[in-house]
Amino acid sequence: DSGVTQTPKHLITATGQRVTLRCSPRSGDLSVYWYQQSLDQGLQFLIQYYNGEERAKGNILERFSAQQFPDLHSELNLSSLELGDSALYFCASSVGPDYTGELFFGEGSRLTVL
Amino acid sequence: AQSVTQPDIHITVSEGASLELRCNYSYGATPYLFWYVQSPGQGLQLLLKYFSGDTLVQGIKGFEAEFKRSQSSFNLRKPSVHWGDAAEYFCAVVPDTDKLIFGTGTRLQVFP
Repeated sequence: DSGVTQTPKHLITATGQRVTLRCSPRSGDLSVYWYQQSLDQGLQFLIQYYNGEERAKGNILERFSAQQFPDLHSELNLSSLELGDSALYFCASSVGPDYTGELFFGEGSRLTVL
Repeated sequence: AQSVTQPDIHITVSEGASLELRCNYSYGATPYLFWYVQSPGQGLQLLLKYFSGDTLVQGIKGFEAEFKRSQSSFNLRKPSVHWGDAAEYFCAVVPDTDKLIFGTGTRLQVFP
């Protein structure tokens, strides 16, 4: 158990819909990272928050947004969903703001768009 | 272009056999280097990391990796594989402290 909690574990929805994925980081970790894992794209970095502020942005679509709340949990919002958004979405957390420390990954939220 | 390459998509070994998973990177300076493992239905777990110093790094679960600057490689090894090691293995590189780049992964299958 990494200490990172993601909900829901599985989600099935239709094209055009909007979903919210939730992540609770390990106790004491200030950074939250979101990754998308798909068969054709591999592991893609989406976005990072550190202590409530956006710190780095990766290949995140404009239809996607995220935020980190004062209690440090984070939500990833995916809207106007397309078939190609079907993937496993991972949240990870770390103590510091950069990648020199270990990232702890949740078990992921599997999104299926029909 | 900057990249992390894991040339083997899928590897099959017998239980008890030795294992080496390859990872090459193309970055100018020596980056921070990691190996992560993803067991079926699980998130990624850190096996080991290299920042500097001794180029042979010991990790969890009996894994080790060797950094070779001349070959821009960071190969993962285990002397005797167990069936429980069946998983996907990702090499990852931090070329500067603001980016973490994952390789495409190597899926390891272990036969009894």
